[in-house]
Amino acid sequence: EAEVAQSPRYKITEKSQAVAFWCDPISGHATLYWYRQILGQGPELLVQFQDESVVDDSQLPKDRFSAERLKGVDSTLKIQPAELGDSAMYLCASSWERGITGELFFGEGSRLTVL
Amino acid sequence: GENVEQHPSTLSVQEGDSAVIKCTYSDSASNYFPWYKQELGKGPQLIIDIRSNVGEKKDQRIAVTLNKTAKHFSLHITETQPEDSAVYFCAVVSNTGNQFYFGTGTSLTVIP
Repeated sequence: EAEVAQSPRYKITEKSQAVAFWCDPISGHATLYWYRQILGQGPELLVQFQDESVVDDSQLPKDRFSAERLKGVDSTLKIQPAELGDSAMYLCASSWERGITGELFFGEGSRLTVL
Repeated sequence: GENVEQHPSTLSVQEGDSAVIKCTYSDSASNYFPWYKQELGKGPQLIIDIRSNVGEKKDQRIAVTLNKTAKHFSLHITETQPEDSAVYFCAVVSNTGNQFYFGTGTSLTVIP
Protein backbone atom coordinates (compact mmCIF):
# COMPACT_ATOMS: atom_id res chain seq x y z
CA GLU A 1 0.00 0.00 0.00
CA ALA A 2 1.40 3.39 -1.02
CA GLU A 3 2.30 5.69 1.86
CA VAL A 4 3.46 9.22 2.50
CA ALA A 5 7.03 8.98 3.76
CA GLN A 6 8.44 11.45 6.27
CA SER A 7 11.80 11.79 7.95
CA PRO A 8 13.09 12.07 10.53
CA ARG A 9 10.40 10.61 12.80
CA TYR A 10 11.89 12.37 15.81
CA LYS A 11 14.16 15.37 16.11
CA ILE A 12 15.55 17.00 19.24
CA THR A 13 17.37 20.26 18.79
CA GLU A 14 18.42 23.30 20.73
CA LYS A 15 16.83 26.66 20.10
CA SER A 16 18.50 28.78 17.41
CA GLN A 17 19.57 25.67 15.50
CA ALA A 18 18.36 24.81 12.00
CA VAL A 19 15.99 21.90 11.41
CA ALA A 20 14.79 20.27 8.20
CA PHE A 21 12.00 17.79 7.53
CA TRP A 22 11.52 15.77 4.37
CA CYS A 23 8.37 14.40 2.81
CA ASP A 24 7.82 12.06 -0.13
CA PRO A 25 4.13 11.97 -1.09
CA ILE A 26 2.32 9.07 -2.70
CA SER A 27 3.42 8.75 -6.31
CA GLY A 28 1.30 10.83 -8.64
CA HIS A 29 -0.19 13.01 -5.94
CA ALA A 30 -0.26 16.59 -7.19
CA THR A 31 -1.15 18.35 -3.95
CA LEU A 32 1.13 18.34 -0.93
CA TYR A 33 0.47 19.89 2.45
CA TRP A 34 2.57 20.59 5.52
CA TYR A 35 0.67 20.79 8.80
CA ARG A 36 1.78 21.56 12.34
CA GLN A 37 0.03 19.77 15.16
CA ILE A 38 0.56 20.94 18.71
CA LEU A 39 -0.18 18.32 21.36
CA GLY A 40 -3.90 18.17 22.07
CA GLN A 41 -4.90 20.21 19.05
CA GLY A 42 -5.90 19.61 15.46
CA PRO A 43 -3.50 19.99 12.53
CA GLU A 44 -2.98 23.55 11.28
CA LEU A 45 -1.94 24.24 7.71
CA LEU A 46 1.49 25.73 7.17
CA VAL A 47 1.82 25.46 3.42
CA GLN A 48 0.05 23.86 0.46
CA PHE A 49 1.64 22.99 -2.89
CA GLN A 50 0.00 22.17 -6.20
CA ASP A 51 2.78 20.44 -8.13
CA GLU A 52 5.78 22.72 -7.55
CA SER A 53 3.80 25.89 -6.92
CA VAL A 54 2.78 27.29 -3.55
CA VAL A 55 -1.01 27.58 -3.35
CA ASP A 56 -1.27 28.81 0.23
CA ASP A 57 1.46 29.79 2.67
CA SER A 58 -0.48 32.46 4.52
CA GLN A 59 0.04 30.71 7.89
CA LEU A 60 3.74 29.97 7.37
CA PRO A 61 5.98 32.10 9.65
CA LYS A 62 8.18 33.19 6.78
CA ASP A 63 10.79 34.85 8.96
CA ARG A 64 11.96 31.43 10.11
CA PHE A 65 10.12 28.78 8.08
CA SER A 66 10.63 27.89 4.45
CA ALA A 67 9.26 25.12 2.26
CA GLU A 68 10.03 23.93 -1.21
CA ARG A 69 8.89 21.30 -3.66
CA LEU A 70 11.29 21.94 -6.51
CA LYS A 71 10.35 19.17 -8.93
CA GLY A 72 6.78 18.79 -7.80
CA VAL A 73 7.49 15.51 -6.05
CA ASP A 74 9.16 15.46 -2.64
CA SER A 75 9.26 18.44 -0.33
CA THR A 76 11.40 19.92 2.43
CA LEU A 77 10.27 22.09 5.32
CA LYS A 78 12.99 24.07 7.10
CA ILE A 79 13.03 26.01 10.33
CA GLN A 80 15.88 28.41 11.02
CA PRO A 81 16.35 29.34 13.78
CA ALA A 82 14.20 26.98 15.83
CA GLU A 83 12.37 28.42 18.84
CA LEU A 84 10.91 26.70 21.90
CA GLY A 85 7.39 27.27 20.60
CA ASP A 86 8.14 25.25 17.47
CA SER A 87 7.98 21.99 19.43
CA ALA A 88 5.19 20.07 17.71
CA MET A 89 4.40 17.26 15.29
CA TYR A 90 4.96 18.23 11.67
CA LEU A 91 2.66 16.30 9.39
CA CYS A 92 2.92 15.96 5.64
CA ALA A 93 -0.13 14.99 3.61
CA SER A 94 -0.86 14.51 -0.07
CA SER A 95 -3.84 14.26 -2.36
CA TRP A 96 -3.95 13.25 -6.01
CA GLU A 97 -6.91 15.26 -7.17
CA ARG A 98 -6.53 18.62 -8.84
CA GLY A 99 -9.30 21.13 -8.39
CA ILE A 100 -11.55 18.61 -6.68
CA THR A 101 -11.41 17.97 -2.98
CA GLY A 102 -10.26 14.47 -2.32
CA GLU A 103 -8.96 12.24 0.42
CA LEU A 104 -5.95 13.49 2.30
CA PHE A 105 -3.28 10.88 3.02
CA PHE A 106 -1.05 11.68 5.99
CA GLY A 107 2.43 10.53 6.81
CA GLU A 108 3.47 9.34 10.27
CA GLY A 109 4.78 12.79 11.13
CA SER A 110 8.03 14.26 12.40
CA ARG A 111 8.01 15.11 16.08
CA LEU A 112 10.18 18.10 16.92
CA THR A 113 11.37 18.95 20.41
CA VAL A 114 13.20 22.24 20.85
CA LEU A 115 15.23 22.56 24.06
CA GLY B 1 -11.18 31.49 7.36
CA GLU B 2 -13.38 28.64 8.52
CA ASN B 3 -14.20 28.19 12.24
CA VAL B 4 -14.64 24.53 13.22
CA GLU B 5 -15.79 23.58 16.70
CA GLN B 6 -15.72 19.97 17.89
CA HIS B 7 -17.39 18.47 20.95
CA PRO B 8 -16.81 16.76 23.27
CA SER B 9 -13.05 17.01 23.77
CA THR B 10 -13.02 13.70 25.68
CA LEU B 11 -15.46 10.81 25.61
CA SER B 12 -15.48 7.55 27.54
CA VAL B 13 -17.91 4.76 26.69
CA GLN B 14 -18.38 1.15 27.68
CA GLU B 15 -17.53 -1.42 25.07
CA GLY B 16 -20.58 -2.11 22.95
CA ASP B 17 -22.12 1.32 23.53
CA SER B 18 -22.40 4.05 20.91
CA ALA B 19 -20.27 7.18 20.63
CA VAL B 20 -21.26 10.45 18.99
CA ILE B 21 -18.98 13.36 18.17
CA LYS B 22 -20.29 16.62 16.76
CA CYS B 23 -18.71 19.42 14.74
CA THR B 24 -20.06 22.79 13.75
CA TYR B 25 -18.68 25.10 11.08
CA SER B 26 -19.22 28.65 9.89
CA ASP B 27 -18.64 28.82 6.13
CA SER B 28 -21.74 27.94 4.15
CA ALA B 29 -19.54 27.35 1.08
CA SER B 30 -17.99 24.29 2.71
CA ASN B 31 -18.85 21.14 0.81
CA TYR B 32 -16.64 18.30 2.03
CA PHE B 33 -16.61 16.91 5.56
CA PRO B 34 -14.13 14.13 6.40
CA TRP B 35 -13.46 12.43 9.73
CA TYR B 36 -9.99 11.26 10.71
CA LYS B 37 -8.80 8.83 13.37
CA GLN B 38 -5.38 9.39 14.90
CA GLU B 39 -3.73 6.72 16.99
CA LEU B 40 -0.90 7.54 19.34
CA GLY B 41 2.27 8.46 17.51
CA LYS B 42 0.72 8.14 14.06
CA GLY B 43 -0.66 10.43 11.42
CA PRO B 44 -4.43 10.87 11.01
CA GLN B 45 -6.26 8.37 8.81
CA LEU B 46 -9.51 8.97 6.99
CA ILE B 47 -12.32 6.81 8.34
CA ILE B 48 -15.37 8.29 6.61
CA ASP B 49 -16.34 11.38 4.66
CA ILE B 50 -19.45 13.05 3.33
CA ARG B 51 -20.11 15.62 0.64
CA SER B 52 -22.71 18.35 0.83
CA ASN B 53 -25.12 16.69 -1.60
CA VAL B 54 -26.02 13.90 0.85
CA GLY B 55 -27.31 13.93 4.40
CA GLU B 56 -25.98 10.62 5.70
CA LYS B 57 -23.36 8.02 4.91
CA LYS B 58 -22.70 4.73 6.61
CA ASP B 59 -19.81 2.27 6.57
CA GLN B 60 -20.32 -0.75 8.82
CA ARG B 61 -20.22 0.55 12.41
CA ILE B 62 -19.41 4.13 11.43
CA ALA B 63 -21.83 6.74 10.11
CA VAL B 64 -21.73 10.46 9.46
CA THR B 65 -24.73 12.77 9.30
CA LEU B 66 -24.74 16.27 7.84
CA ASN B 67 -27.14 19.15 8.43
CA LYS B 68 -26.11 21.90 6.02
CA THR B 69 -28.83 24.26 7.17
CA ALA B 70 -27.64 24.13 10.76
CA LYS B 71 -23.98 23.81 9.68
CA HIS B 72 -23.17 20.78 11.75
CA PHE B 73 -22.19 17.19 11.15
CA SER B 74 -21.69 14.24 13.45
CA LEU B 75 -19.74 11.01 13.66
CA HIS B 76 -21.57 8.00 15.03
CA ILE B 77 -19.76 4.84 16.09
CA THR B 78 -21.94 1.92 17.11
CA GLU B 79 -20.98 -1.24 19.00
CA THR B 80 -17.72 0.36 20.10
CA GLN B 81 -14.64 -1.80 20.57
CA PRO B 82 -11.41 -1.13 22.50
CA GLU B 83 -9.56 -0.63 19.20
CA ASP B 84 -11.82 2.35 18.51
CA SER B 85 -9.92 4.20 21.28
CA ALA B 86 -8.09 7.08 19.58
CA VAL B 87 -8.35 10.79 18.87
CA TYR B 88 -10.92 11.70 16.24
CA PHE B 89 -10.79 14.90 14.17
CA CYS B 90 -13.43 16.38 11.97
CA ALA B 91 -12.45 18.58 9.06
CA VAL B 92 -14.24 21.03 6.81
CA VAL B 93 -13.23 21.91 3.27
CA SER B 94 -14.52 24.85 1.28
CA ASN B 95 -15.39 24.65 -2.40
CA THR B 96 -13.21 27.73 -2.92
CA GLY B 97 -10.00 25.74 -2.46
CA ASN B 98 -8.56 22.50 -1.15
CA GLN B 99 -8.03 23.93 2.33
CA PHE B 100 -8.78 21.56 5.18
CA TYR B 101 -9.79 23.13 8.49
CA PHE B 102 -9.60 20.70 11.39
CA GLY B 103 -11.50 20.54 14.65
CA THR B 104 -9.66 20.38 17.96
CA GLY B 105 -10.13 16.63 18.35
CA THR B 106 -12.04 14.22 20.58
CA SER B 107 -10.17 11.67 22.65
CA LEU B 108 -12.34 8.55 22.69
CA THR B 109 -11.73 5.82 25.27
CA VAL B 110 -13.63 2.56 25.00
CA ILE B 111 -13.64 0.74 28.33
CA PRO B 112 -13.60 -3.05 28.04
